[in-house]
Amino acid sequence: EPEVTQTPSHQVTQMGQEVILRCVPISNHLYFYWYRQILGQKVEFLVSFYNNEISEKSEIFDDQFSVERPDGSNFTLKIRSTKLEDSAMYFCASSGTSGVPDTQYFGPGTRLTVL
Amino acid sequence: EDKVVQSPLSLVVHEGDTVTLNCSYEVTNFRSLLWYKQEKKAPTFLFMLTSSGIEKKSGRLSSILDKKELFSILNITATQTGDSAVYLCAVVPLNTDKLIFGTGTRLQVFP
Repeated sequence: EPEVTQTPSHQVTQMGQEVILRCVPISNHLYFYWYRQILGQKVEFLVSFYNNEISEKSEIFDDQFSVERPDGSNFTLKIRSTKLEDSAMYFCASSGTSGVPDTQYFGPGTRLTVL
Repeated sequence: EDKVVQSPLSLVVHEGDTVTLNCSYEVTNFRSLLWYKQEKKAPTFLFMLTSSGIEKKSGRLSSILDKKELFSILNITATQTGDSAVYLCAVVPLNTDKLIFGTGTRLQVFP
């Protein structure tokens, strides 16, 4: 069964460093998303991406964050200068095969720890 | 502000019990409601509900939506230890595809 994959599973970084979290969405999906979950809190929407551009972003997704689909398979989230409060589980999700967003399928997540 | 509230926050049962998990929501222009199961990491999709009164069923799990009263329930019959997880409810407003999640219900099933 097709699934969303994410790498790495755990990333430890120093405050101020740049990190890139990688995702391979389900191959025929058209809509891509990043969410995050701070320990003990709700899953929160960060950004959605369709047709090679951001379609929606939350207040959390400030200038420190960017997303890219560098090739036909990968979808990345970059945090330019990490802060302690960026420590969280980051989930990638994908949906939609027919131009209409549908059920979102999540990857296993990357746990980001900022020291 | 769009909001999803789940209850109870936590539930402990024995194998074989039946449980009902609740999700109420306030959202401008509702489009759909989704249930996910979160074990160690990724939320795993269970159901998507868009119409009131139509039960969705998968094995021992079932779910129904009431758009008038703005809530959904997830039922699990004959619970097993493998059902232990956090169950997440999320809604999708119209004109967006972002999921708005509740805090989840942590279910623990003991033998």
